[in-house]
Amino acid sequence: GIQVEQSPPDLILQEGANSTLRCNFSDSVNNLQWFHQNPWGQLINLFYIPSGTKQNGRLSATTVATERYSLLYISSSQTTDSGVYFCAVGFRGSQGNLIFGKGTKLSVKP
Amino acid sequence: DADVTQTPRNRITKTGKRIMLECSQTKGHDRMYWYRQDPGLGLRLIYYSFDVKDINKGEISDGYSVSRQAQAKFSLSLESAIPNQTALYFCATSDGLAGELFFGEGSRLTVL
Repeated sequence: GIQVEQSPPDLILQEGANSTLRCNFSDSVNNLQWFHQNPWGQLINLFYIPSGTKQNGRLSATTVATERYSLLYISSSQTTDSGVYFCAVGFRGSQGNLIFGKGTKLSVKP
Repeated sequence: DADVTQTPRNRITKTGKRIMLECSQTKGHDRMYWYRQDPGLGLRLIYYSFDVKDINKGEISDGYSVSRQAQAKFSLSLESAIPNQTALYFCATSDGLAGELFFGEGSRLTVL
């Protein structure tokens, strides 16, 4: 069936370190988004990236749709980057509804 | 002010009570969604609406109902709340088939 898998499930970093979060998906997509859920529960859009590469400050994302994965890069991590990162995928033929992965919980230590 | 506003933000209720969570948006989007978040399970879709006259069940609609009162308003009801409906509920909007999804701040519901 349709699947969205994120790895790693948990990640602990020292402030200043870099990291890569991965999202694998099982079918062709027409929508892929990355979200950050902060410790207060708010869900913030990071990237809308069904294909290609985008950058926003210390964060960047790449989606290789033909190989069915997306990567989120965080450089020079800060304590405010802590929280859970979700990948959400819209599969072709799904009326645009997004399927969420279970997230990667990131903890950045000072 | 937030573009997607949910009320109440927190609610504690008892088993069997009727609960309504409300969502309003100022983004002008046609599509609105209700998601539920449980620890370790990510977000799951409850109901979605592509316009005022269109309502669709999502992955976990049992025990819930919705009403799209206007383009900007989409409410979620629990007719008879039960403890396993304790969760964080999110409303979201998008502007089209492949549009970006924008979330409200969430409504934390506890059913005792």
